[in-house]
Amino acid sequence: QVQLQESGPGLINPSETLSLTCTVSGGSISSYFWTWIRQPPGKGLEWIGYMHSSGTTNFNPSLESRVTMSVDTSKNQFSLRLSSVTASDTAVYYCARTTVTTADTDYWGQGTLVTVSS
Amino acid sequence: DIQMTQSPSSLSASVGDRVTITCRASQTINSYLNWYQQIPGKAPKLLIYAASTLQSGVPSRFSGSGSGTDFTLTISSLQPEDFATYYCQQSSSIPFTFGQGTKLEIK
Repeated sequence: QVQLQESGPGLINPSETLSLTCTVSGGSISSYFWTWIRQPPGKGLEWIGYMHSSGTTNFNPSLESRVTMSVDTSKNQFSLRLSSVTASDTAVYYCARTTVTTADTDYWGQGTLVTVSS
Repeated sequence: DIQMTQSPSSLSASVGDRVTITCRASQTINSYLNWYQQIPGKAPKLLIYAASTLQSGVPSRFSGSGSGTDFTLTISSLQPEDFATYYCQQSSSIPFTFGQGTKLEIK
């Protein structure tokens, strides 16, 4: 059974860079898209983007200028960096696995709340 | 971006009821439509992908239909564990956008 677990700071200051890592267990990180999705408190889901283990990326244009993603196949991990954060970036951040064929997101981490505040 | 509009935004129903949620895309997405269920405090769970394919392990009372721009999620007989928020998502065009959600509450 594939499992994903987010890790990273729960509180960061405005203007800093949010950095999260997702560790994948129970399956290989190859041959899928590895996705980040966020959900502000009490609101809906926002797709941030994905990265394939080959290095291919696609990001939400609304965030693209601030987003970096990376994959470490040796550790079965992938990461998100979001720069110049503001209070509007406060959200639960989910890492997830997305299939290449139909691009459905079939496995999700439990989510981690990141609060942007001084 | 493709806009996804769900209706209704909220719905009250009883155990045993048949419920239908609709999702409309602002442009054609063929069958690249996924449905997720989210229980408060939990991650979303994939129910249906490619508009009508039931994800492994999901009860058969859930079904999906549609293509192009109009899609539906049907729960044939509501169970207590089905009271949650449901989201549609298009995976046809970047960015993969979600509907605003439909909150299903107990009547």
